[in-house]
Amino acid sequence: GESVGLHLPTLSVQEGDNSIINCAYSNSASDYFIWYKQESGKGPQFIIDIRSNMDKRQGQRVTVLLNKTVKHLSLQIAATQPGDSAVYFCAENGGTSYGKLTFGQGTILTVHP
Amino acid sequence: GAGVSQSPSNKVTEKGKDVELRCDPISGHTALYWYRQSLGQGLEFLIYFQGNSAPDKSGLPSDRFSAERTGGSVSTLTIQRTQQEDSAVYLCASSPGGGRTYEQYFGPGTRLTVT
Repeated sequence: GESVGLHLPTLSVQEGDNSIINCAYSNSASDYFIWYKQESGKGPQFIIDIRSNMDKRQGQRVTVLLNKTVKHLSLQIAATQPGDSAVYFCAENGGTSYGKLTFGQGTILTVHP
Repeated sequence: GAGVSQSPSNKVTEKGKDVELRCDPISGHTALYWYRQSLGQGLEFLIYFQGNSAPDKSGLPSDRFSAERTGGSVSTLTIQRTQQEDSAVYLCASSPGGGRTYEQYFGPGTRLTVT
């Protein structure tokens, strides 16, 4: 989801549950999307990406879904673990041919043991 | 192997002073990016370097901000006459370029506080 200022969306889950993090992107020209995970005090870490010619892509314990009609991305994390607790960002390329990315404001995921 | 490194990790400076932030990208990566992250916010693109091409400076917020990349490797982001609104974490990323240009590997960031 979207937020303004310091009030990031938050998601709290129990260990072992599945998590779904949502993102609305803004630029209809974007044809490449990435999810990043950022732990406290660290730089963002690449999780998974998807191109606009796909609507689903799976990785290890993660799945990204893309709905271009409503400009919506989601990240699904299976069997969420405490180590998954972090801020998750989606990013879009705005149709650029190089790596200039526009990031969303992020969602805080907290996993309780 | 070594990842992207940034220095200093923390910088406190007085309003009006100049600061320099350093980024050492992953060896062999041709593309380098600077982003800014304000408290509780997503990342804001600042500048992009690719090989010997002219950098994309479209994200620099004012002419007080500048960046260089020497020898296609190390980069320095300079902020002149710092203002309190410059306080943020400044993140550097590098990528292999070419077909893997979106694989951006981030450093830990420099936390800048302007008092």
